[in-house]
Amino acid sequence: NAGVTQTPKFQVLKTGQSMTLQCAQDMNHEYMSWYRQDPGMGLRLIHYSVGAGITDQGEVPNGYNVSRSTTEDFPLRLLSAAPSQTSVYFCASSYSLNGLAVTTDTQYFGPGTRLTVL
Amino acid sequence: QQPVQSPQAVILREGEDAVINCSSSKALYSVHWYRQKHGEAPVFLMILLKGGEQKGHEKISASFNEKKQQSSLYLTASQLSYSGTYFCGTVIQGAQKLVFGQGTRLTINP
Repeated sequence: NAGVTQTPKFQVLKTGQSMTLQCAQDMNHEYMSWYRQDPGMGLRLIHYSVGAGITDQGEVPNGYNVSRSTTEDFPLRLLSAAPSQTSVYFCASSYSLNGLAVTTDTQYFGPGTRLTVL
Repeated sequence: QQPVQSPQAVILREGEDAVINCSSSKALYSVHWYRQKHGEAPVFLMILLKGGEQKGHEKISASFNEKKQQSSLYLTASQLSYSGTYFCGTVIQGAQKLVFGQGTRLTINP
């Protein structure tokens, strides 16, 4: 198993550009999520999904879109990049019993994407 | 809804004990603990469900006080490898999302 993979590992954007951060998992996990990590701010939840076709907002969703067309993939789209979106982005996945029991399982994190917006 | 961790940073000598606290203003279903080394992804330590159970290994354990909506992580006889940032994550009762605190940086010196 490759686990949770993220691409790219590094990315530099100019203000106003758009891009998609890719996240894929091969563990058949139903629950997937995106976090951003900034110094002193911890891990902040952007969006999450409890299964294919179902997504919901986290704590800091503004400026980001997600979709979940398959169980394996959960891409994060930056619509119009801003310097405030400079951060390290982590994707995570876990088992979710009937879309409810994400709480009882380990979150597997991807290696992260370091994004800089100039 | 972000849980609050304390302290924000701890510096210890090898062999000393540490306690990291996590509290929420909402009724919790579960508490998760993760450790992150610099430049790496967070790594799972343990999960505690409502019911006040205590879990862990002999040197790293945690408790969950359901009445107070608080959890504590205990690191006993710390080793150099314990250095890193510790995060607690919480799931509020009735919710599905896992929300993390701001982290506690633990430094272990020889």
